[in-house]
This record gives sequence, structure tokens and C-alpha cells, in this order.
Amino acid sequence: QVQLVQSGADVKKPGASVKVSCKASGYPFSDHYLYWVRQAPGQGLECMGMIKPKTGSTAYSQKFQGRLTLTRDTSTNTLYMDLSSLTSDDTAVYYCARNTFSGFDFWGQGTLVTVSS
Amino acid sequence: QSALTQPRSVSGSPGQSVTISCTGTSSDVGGYNLVSWYQQRPGKGPKLMIYDVTERPSGVPDHFSGSKSGNTASLTISGLQADDEADYYCSSYAGRDIYVFGTGTKVTVL
Repeated sequence: QVQLVQSGADVKKPGASVKVSCKASGYPFSDHYLYWVRQAPGQGLECMGMIKPKTGSTAYSQKFQGRLTLTRDTSTNTLYMDLSSLTSDDTAVYYCARNTFSGFDFWGQGTLVTVSS
Repeated sequence: QSALTQPRSVSGSPGQSVTISCTGTSSDVGGYNLVSWYQQRPGKGPKLMIYDVTERPSGVPDHFSGSKSGNTASLTISGLQADDEADYYCSSYAGRDIYVFGTGTKVTVL
């Protein structure tokens, strides 16, 4: 069955960077685009960006341009989200999600990133 | 890429119908038939309920339905059940491989 398993919670200081991983299994890794979506406490969902597993090509939401880097490792079917220059506003649960153009059909369990001094 | 606008909350009694609106622009909701809806229970991740405006994934109850007119999409829950109480988010393709989500609606079953 399709699974997206993310790395565990992390705590970072303001100005630092965080790297979250998401391991995909149960389907051909190259067949679907993968997205990162975040949710601040008590807030809504926010699309951050996308990676095409086959080529490594990426697209980023304007809000995160210059601060977000998405990569993937096709040997382990794992994608990575690297967010730099963290502030308290980046405290959120970060999800990876599989996209079928029609919608996001499978989601990771979420990773809580807390930014605090 | 502004968030799509949803009502903060809607409520209804068991058996009633409720409709959640999702208003965007011609650059997102109005420009593509790629609107989807997600249910999120407290402490859990989102679950796909509707895709391509009107389609239901396998396993989603048929009392959930979707529609769209112009720049506004809607999710209707007919025959409201206690188990439907959750937050609901719409999403639309917005071009250049980016999606935009709605502000979210809390559904309360009275």
C-alpha cells in the first residue's frame, strides 16, 4: 500500500535551517509529483512547493522562493525539504503529499517543526 | 497566490444538508477544473474527499458532493452525520505546478 513516512519532530533556533525527509513506498516513485504542504498551529494548509521525482525539477510558491530547497534521492525513494532562515512564523506541521493532478491522494503523517530561541 | 476564501464555520443538525463555499479567482478556481476538498480531523492529516470538482475517491461516502460555478466551488454534505464533524479545506490548481488552499471551514453537527 502507498505510504509516505516522514522524519520526526525537530526544534530549531531562529535563523537556522531545517531538513525534513519523506520516504515513499508502495508505488513507482517516479510516477507522481510530490508536494510539501505546511500548517501553522490553528491555521490552514499552505502549499510550499513541488518536486518531480523522475527529473528532480522543482516549483516553489512565491512566498518560499530563495528559502526553500526540495531534493530527492531516487535510490531510496526519499524526498527532502530544506527551509532556511527560520523564524517563529515557520513553526508548523510540515506534510509531504502525493499529487495526481486531480488532488493530493496520500499524505505523510506530518512533522512538527518548532522554531524557538 | 492568495488563499481561497471559505466560511469560518457551518453547522447543521443530523440529517440536514450543509454547503461550504470556496471562492477564488479566474487564475485558480475559475481557470481549471482541478478543485479538490479535504477533511481534517483534530490532530490528523488531511483526507481527500472530492477531486476534479465533482469526483469522489473510492471509499468516500456518497453524501459528499462537489460543484463549481465561475470562481466559486462548493462542497455539499447531505444527510449530515456526527462523523462528518471536522475541518474542511478546498484546494485549486493555480498554474505553474502550484496549488492554493482555502482558509478552512469547521463543520459542527448540532
